[in-house]
Amino acid sequence: TQLLEQSPQFLSIQEGENLTVYCNSSSVFSSLQWYRQEPGEGPVLLVTVVTGGEVKKLKRLTFQFGDARKDSSLHITAAQPGDTGLYLCAGLYTGTASKLTFGTGTRLQVTL
Amino acid sequence: NAGVTQTPKFRILKIGQSMTLQCTQDMNHNYMYWYRQDPGMGLKLIYYSVGAGITDKGEVPNGYNVSRSTTEDFPLRLELAAPSQTSVYFCASSSLYGYTFGSGTRLTVV
Repeated sequence: TQLLEQSPQFLSIQEGENLTVYCNSSSVFSSLQWYRQEPGEGPVLLVTVVTGGEVKKLKRLTFQFGDARKDSSLHITAAQPGDTGLYLCAGLYTGTASKLTFGTGTRLQVTL
Repeated sequence: NAGVTQTPKFRILKIGQSMTLQCTQDMNHNYMYWYRQDPGMGLKLIYYSVGAGITDKGEVPNGYNVSRSTTEDFPLRLELAAPSQTSVYFCASSSLYGYTFGSGTRLTVV
């Protein structure tokens, strides 16, 4: 069973601060996805990264895929209360027939 | 756009009871999945299906069964509910662009 570790587990920051969430594995991903989950809802896809070294931007969110495709990061600039939620990374490993392995998540709280 | 629809949203079961969690998708996706999410944890795969008539076990299949008679429907069956099955259950379907999740079923076994 592949292990996908996220850090930090919890993050409480004030509006306007920047933050970075990390996602690491000892195995190589064929692709990696980031999801955001709000209480009482299912995860919602934010981005998919496929190529080693790839950087994708979604407004104030920047996603980076490691060169070796074993790690990824999510950076949020000038966090807002609306960014509050559970952020999950999920990796697709080679040969796993489209079965995502999810990290344990990072719970982010942004206060005024 | 309905996406993935799960019913019921909440359910309380007594130990030993059975129930079926329903999941329907209207996106014509071949791949469908059942995950469970325990408090403070990520999602663990219970069962998945790559198309009608084809299902396979995930990471935590014990105590559950599934069927896939149509592309749209992927019900999850609990035969003898146990307290360890208290969790939030998510159904999802996927395309090349990523997964679409339902809003979940919160199940409590007492």
